[in-house]
Amino acid sequence: DQQVKQNSPSLSVQEGRISILNCDYTNSMFDYFLWYKKYPAEGPTFLISISSIKDKNEDGRFTVFLNKSAKHLSLHIVPSQPGDSAVYFCAATDAGGGNKLTFGTGTQLKVEL
Amino acid sequence: DAGITQSPRHKVTETGTPVTLRCHQTENHRYMYWYRQDPGHGLRLIHYSYGVKDTDKGEVSDGYSVSRSKTEDFLLTLESATSSQTSVYFCAISPTGPTEAFFGQGTRLTVV
Repeated sequence: DQQVKQNSPSLSVQEGRISILNCDYTNSMFDYFLWYKKYPAEGPTFLISISSIKDKNEDGRFTVFLNKSAKHLSLHIVPSQPGDSAVYFCAATDAGGGNKLTFGTGTQLKVEL
Repeated sequence: DAGITQSPRHKVTETGTPVTLRCHQTENHRYMYWYRQDPGHGLRLIHYSYGVKDTDKGEVSDGYSVSRSKTEDFLLTLESATSSQTSVYFCAISPTGPTEAFFGQGTRLTVV
């Protein structure tokens, strides 16, 4: 049972445009959400997070939106750059669950020139 | 960058042999995790630790065991490797509380 779902395995965007990556979750106990970025042959690196008490968090070109009623979050990258080409994983955790992260299956983003 | 080192980085082993992967941290973080990454599955939790000698199972723990005798080291053991355990294994560390985890570079394990 996939508790965190990323239904788009891949996304292609032109440089300078907006990239929108989506994530859905089913576990209502999740209260903290994160996005990780992964390049080939490297470990995932943290990108941005959001607590369930917020509906938006922004960090430079990256913004995460959380819609609790829909159990949906999205990552917006504006403007997209070629260096953003990577696999993006959505992850979720609940404070009482050993701080362990449950990951989605990832979305491969390709930013084209 | 968080001080986290995985060893070995690559390993090829035969079916039925025992294998141990090591994760070493210099951050004194309480939580340590082992994940595996497979196509179509993302990252799945194998085992995790919330303190020395305190460990618990994740979603794909069958065929794996772990030990944490020191804060800085978390070992993952495949008692008898199978081809289905061919994967990329990532260790991660995290301080107390809901926050980001820091990942190691990964170990690519091939079971032939």
